[in-house]
Amino acid sequence: QSALTQPASVSESPGQSITISCTGTTSDVGSYNLVSWYQRHPGKAPKLIIYDVSKRPSGVSYRFSGSKSGNTASLTISGVQPEDEGDYYCCSYAGNFAVVFGGGTKLAVL
Amino acid sequence: EVQLVQSGAEVKKAGESLKISCKGSGYIFTDYWIGWVRQMPGKGLEWMGIIYPADSDTKYNPSLQGQVTISADKSISTAYLHWSSLKASDTAIYYCVRPVGATSYFDYWGQGTLVTVSS
Repeated sequence: QSALTQPASVSESPGQSITISCTGTTSDVGSYNLVSWYQRHPGKAPKLIIYDVSKRPSGVSYRFSGSKSGNTASLTISGVQPEDEGDYYCCSYAGNFAVVFGGGTKLAVL
Repeated sequence: EVQLVQSGAEVKKAGESLKISCKGSGYIFTDYWIGWVRQMPGKGLEWMGIIYPADSDTKYNPSLQGQVTISADKSISTAYLHWSSLKASDTAIYYCVRPVGATSYFDYWGQGTLVTVSS
């Protein structure tokens, strides 16, 4: 399976909204509502922020939301804050017990 | 509180063997799959595989099958990732993860184990 496609980097000013795309195929994102997103700060383990396309785990800010259309999933952060800086990874089930990640997107809050 | 605690950083030479570990606590170890995700230098995350400790059913990323072995000892709630002969390209951070179901998201992550392999 090939990695999901994400933009390498995005940047925005505090208080603005950003959307990170995650493009897969009909074999993964397009076939299953099993897309998740992870946030990783430098030197830390990734943290789950969205699962099953659009659900938020307990304790994750309402500013994070997820959606999907066809083979592309998206993560939106409303009102980005300096503490949101980091790397974001999407992930999808790809059939036959396999899972595929995106290449990651580095978010800079200017 | 659920925790996945991994073994410490390793520095090895190419051709050597290695087994790193991940101890689960705060939940019933045999009720959940447990797996491994790696991050090679400058690269994204890559799913390696999972094991169900209750019966040792194991699923691997097809691109990695044969290169590593995933195992678990349910008596001590510990999962392992084993290499019989390391390569320089195995240099990476390895994360232990707990998937919710075999096909779903990873709700808990270990702290990561840095493996450095010199040629």
